[in-house]
Amino acid sequence: EIVMTQSPATLSVSPGERATLSCRASQSVSSNLAWYQQKPGQAPRLLIYGASTRATGFPARFSGSGSGTEFTLTISSLQSEDFAVYYCQQYNNWPLTFGGGTKVEIK
Amino acid sequence: EVQLVETGGGLIQPGGSLRLSCAASGFTVSSNYMSWVRQAPGKGLEWVSVLYSGGTTYYADSVKGRFTISRDNSENTLYLQMNSLRAEDTAVYYCARGRAGANYFDYWGQGTLVTVSS
Repeated sequence: EIVMTQSPATLSVSPGERATLSCRASQSVSSNLAWYQQKPGQAPRLLIYGASTRATGFPARFSGSGSGTEFTLTISSLQSEDFAVYYCQQYNNWPLTFGGGTKVEIK
Repeated sequence: EVQLVETGGGLIQPGGSLRLSCAASGFTVSSNYMSWVRQAPGKGLEWVSVLYSGGTTYYADSVKGRFTISRDNSENTLYLQMNSLRAEDTAVYYCARGRAGANYFDYWGQGTLVTVSS
């Protein structure tokens, strides 16, 4: 099983600042990596797929990068609606696995 | 508009059985990869099972032999039959659509809570 490790667990950021979230895979997943955003009481929402392609409805301040085992989600200028938990997910191998999440909170 | 609506959750005793349903609209379940993903209270996401359009299924080791994924094409509905339930199966269960034949999820239901407790 591929283990996905996200860091940090919690990120405290002021509105307007840049946030950088990390996701590491225990073995290569190529570019088969997705990111999801989850707000309290809601289902996750697809944010990024193919490591760097933004899903419909998300603005350009969200960007994903990386391949192999190291991936990054960057939010260039945090807005109030961006405070949430972010999960990465690999879909290169079975079983599909998620990272433990990074909570982005208001500083 | 794509919609997924899960039902069937509730409180069940350890060792019991429950069947979850996921009614889909706006697309055809049988033409897509459909998964169940769960989230224990206050915890992260865990993939549970997938049903491919061709009928192939996969399960997480934690549920293999106890859970069965299926669909009813006439009802456009996905199911998860859960047997021999354990306390550690307590979670919100989401159904999710795999996008364009891939194993990441572009649409999710609102989830249904399963609580396994005596």
